[in-house]
Amino acid sequence: QTMVSQEPSFSVSPGGTVKLTCGLGSGSVSTSHSPSWYRQTPGQAPRTLIYSTMTRSSGVPDRFSGSILGNKAALTITGAQADDEADYYCVLYMGGGTWLFGGGTKLTVL
Amino acid sequence: QVQLMESGGTVVEPGMSLRLSCAASGFTLSSYTMHWVRQAPGKGLEWLSVTSSLGDFKYYADSVKGRFTISRDNSKNTLYLQMNSLRPEDTGTYYCARDFWGRIKTGGFFEYWGQGTQVTVSS
Repeated sequence: QTMVSQEPSFSVSPGGTVKLTCGLGSGSVSTSHSPSWYRQTPGQAPRTLIYSTMTRSSGVPDRFSGSILGNKAALTITGAQADDEADYYCVLYMGGGTWLFGGGTKLTVL
Repeated sequence: QVQLMESGGTVVEPGMSLRLSCAASGFTLSSYTMHWVRQAPGKGLEWLSVTSSLGDFKYYADSVKGRFTISRDNSKNTLYLQMNSLRPEDTGTYYCARDFWGRIKTGGFFEYWGQGTQVTVSS
């Protein structure tokens, strides 16, 4: 069964830069998977950050950027802030009208 | 502004059925593809199902295929998820989400989310 992999957890210092990745167990992530990224804080609905690999959703600061790095999709957060602490999820379009979420990355800022 | 409001979540016993609703406002529902996504307690997000803007195309995750049915009534601005043969592992928060596009395609994503409705399947 195809799985989308993300780092279970990551830690970054305030002001630092972090790259969260999104891989595909059975191959490489490409722009055709149209990766999108979402942030979720406890008790809240997810919020869209990035879509179509690298396009920022409305209102998302340019500290957040998306890319393809090697065979994975990546979400880069620069100048990390305390309120960036959250769970981050990537989603890939798998074709045939189906999408697949990664397991999520719990980001700690300390 | 775009608003999505899920309802219908409750506690049910295994094997029972439940229908969730998602009331849309602030936009024309018939112009957009819509999704259902769920989240088990303390777990990650799981995409469940999608319906195209006019309801002519529908797709499901393997975990719910044959048990769940997505539908929509654009005249009532409402999306539905009929859930049959419920299992304890179906417990979680169910979100509806609006896609960016009107048809199901590469590039689709979950642009707007509701706040979710809680479903608990337990005896």
